Amino acid sequence: EAEVAQSPRYKITEKSQAVAFWCDPISGHATLYWYRQILGQGPELLVQFQDESVVDDSQLPKDRFSAERLKGVDSTLKIQPAELGDSAMYLCASSTGQGAGSPLHFGNGTRLTVT
Amino acid sequence: AQKITQTQPGMFVQEKEAVTLDCTYDTSDPSYGLFWYKQPSSGEMIFLIYQGSYDQQNATEGRYSLNFQKARKSANLVISASQLGDSAMYFCAIENFNKFYFGSGTKLNVKP
Repeated sequence: EAEVAQSPRYKITEKSQAVAFWCDPISGHATLYWYRQILGQGPELLVQFQDESVVDDSQLPKDRFSAERLKGVDSTLKIQPAELGDSAMYLCASSTGQGAGSPLHFGNGTRLTVT
Repeated sequence: AQKITQTQPGMFVQEKEAVTLDCTYDTSDPSYGLFWYKQPSSGEMIFLIYQGSYDQQNATEGRYSLNFQKARKSANLVISASQLGDSAMYFCAIENFNKFYFGSGTKLNVKP
């Protein structure tokens, strides 16, 4: 079964440094999501793309976070500068976005630790 | 705005018994979807079951069933014949126009 690919699996960085995460959705999935999941909580949406366009980035801290999906396929999420409070799991998900019941398919996530 | 509430931070169940995980939601939209996901300690989110707001029948997928009570705005997950491998975090989510909102989750521990 096709999967959502994410890398790296783990990332440790010092505060004030830049960090980037990469996601490759399931082929043909037009909708791509980046979620942040703090330990012990549910995922919270950071940004949602439809093809190469941003649909929702209302919860993205734009002073330090940026996301792009230039060709409407894979996507990169960047944090610069990283802060201690950014330590979390960053999950990428994709969906066909068509029809009722289309679930999100998640990657394995990137666990970020900021020291 | 959509909101999901999971009031059980943690649950214990004996192996082979059934368990119900609670989920209530709040939305003003007439059309929406309800999803349950499992997250083992390894971190990946696994889709379990879906219920549409207009579906008359409760959804079932193997040992998973969704007890959908629309008037009460609840969508509880029932796991029958619990297995040790069911120990994980479980998240309820509501979807509307391809936007998904998750609850805070319930940690299920299955005891041998």
